[in-house]
Amino acid sequence: DIQMTQSPSSLSASVGDRVTITCRPSQAINTYLNWYQHKPGKAPHLLIFGASNLQSGVPSRFSGSGSGTDFTLTISSLHPEDFATYFCQQTYILPWTFGQGTRVEVK
Amino acid sequence: QLQLQESGPGLVTPSETLSLTCTVSGASISNTNYFWVWLRQSPGEGLEWIGSVHYSGSTHYNPSLKSRLSISVDTSKNQFSLNLSSVTAADTAVYYCARQGKKPVAGVFYSGLDPWGQGTLVTVSS
Repeated sequence: DIQMTQSPSSLSASVGDRVTITCRPSQAINTYLNWYQHKPGKAPHLLIFGASNLQSGVPSRFSGSGSGTDFTLTISSLHPEDFATYFCQQTYILPWTFGQGTRVEVK
Repeated sequence: QLQLQESGPGLVTPSETLSLTCTVSGASISNTNYFWVWLRQSPGEGLEWIGSVHYSGSTHYNPSLKSRLSISVDTSKNQFSLNLSSVTAADTAVYYCARQGKKPVAGVFYSGLDPWGQGTLVTVSS
């Protein structure tokens, strides 16, 4: 199985901050990488697919980049509703695997 | 608006079978473009993809669970189900269902999970 290493595991930030989260798969996955947002007690929500494509309805402050074994999710200016856990997922090969998640907390 | 809702027992006895159902509302499960997926997240762990089913009955299973796993679809009820046999405490988790679609970008099709259910906690304990 492809192991997904996500960092950091948590970070503290303030509204307006630029936030960057990294995901590194154990082998190259081209651009078959998705990012999700998850708030406690709610359904996870697809943000980015294909490494850099914004899901419909997702604010443009979210962006994704990367290919192969190095991917990044960036929130350009953190909004109050963005405090949540973010995780990556590879869809290059079954079984699909996920990063451990990054918790974005209030500083 | 498409919604998914998991249902089933919150407590399962060790060695028994864990059975969950995902009810799809707002759209037909009988759409050839989608697979229907089960995932889980154990306490303190990352998400685990369990497997998926197409309305035709075609399935994909995680090899780590395959020997204990069955996923099926009931198009008449617009539901799909998970059965995991011989459970242990390690199967304690929040179980999610989701829809898997494909999105074309410059001739490449990318899979993504959207939407998801809110999840249901299943505890394996005597």
